[in-house]
Amino acid sequence: SQQGEEDPQALSIQEGENATMNCSYKTSINNLQWYRQNSGRGLVHLILIRSNEREKHSGRLRVTLDTSKKSSSLLITASRAADTASYFCATAYSGNTPLVFGKGTRLSVIA
Amino acid sequence: DAGVTQSPTHLIKTRGQQVTLRCSPKSGHDTVSWYQQALGQGPQFIFQYYEEEERQRGNFPDRFSGHQYPNYSSELNVNALLLGDSALYLCASSLVAMNTEAFFGQGTRLTVV
Repeated sequence: SQQGEEDPQALSIQEGENATMNCSYKTSINNLQWYRQNSGRGLVHLILIRSNEREKHSGRLRVTLDTSKKSSSLLITASRAADTASYFCATAYSGNTPLVFGKGTRLSVIA
Repeated sequence: DAGVTQSPTHLIKTRGQQVTLRCSPKSGHDTVSWYQQALGQGPQFIFQYYEEEERQRGNFPDRFSGHQYPNYSSELNVNALLLGDSALYLCASSLVAMNTEAFFGQGTRLTVV
């Protein structure tokens, strides 16, 4: 099945720095979602952005969506050690299709 | 309000055996989806249940089957286990329209030996 692709695959930063992760996808979407996963456990939903939206904020998170380039970015500002996790983008191609996940970005925040 | 609960958390099975994983969705949710996540990979969609019927299915063999009960809880069954079935199995619940956020359980770690 088609997948989005996150870039980079791995990212290591110092605490307090900003972290930016990118996601590209292949076909038109209804919405794009970002999830976090700690140490191979369940996924936690972070933010959903719909195809008619360009930017959304939630606390220290900022997500952008460029449907013309079929890409999205997740920015985590003022990162903390607790932000260390894998981050996945997931796309929904229509209202009734399942989420399609990328392979994720592994973020390490060093205290 | 309990979130999505899955059981068991860990499981070890022998190749050729059968396994059943269970999921209780978040209160108020009517749709359950199952995903398989291999180590270092993103979750792969197995199938989705709504109104006790399999509504959509990913690229998984018939060895993978499921069920949804009237209370919306769900089971994932895998027959004739292969070593390659070792993975984290995730259950996600949502409302009928998939263009809303999904809530995931903590997963069941299945190891086939």
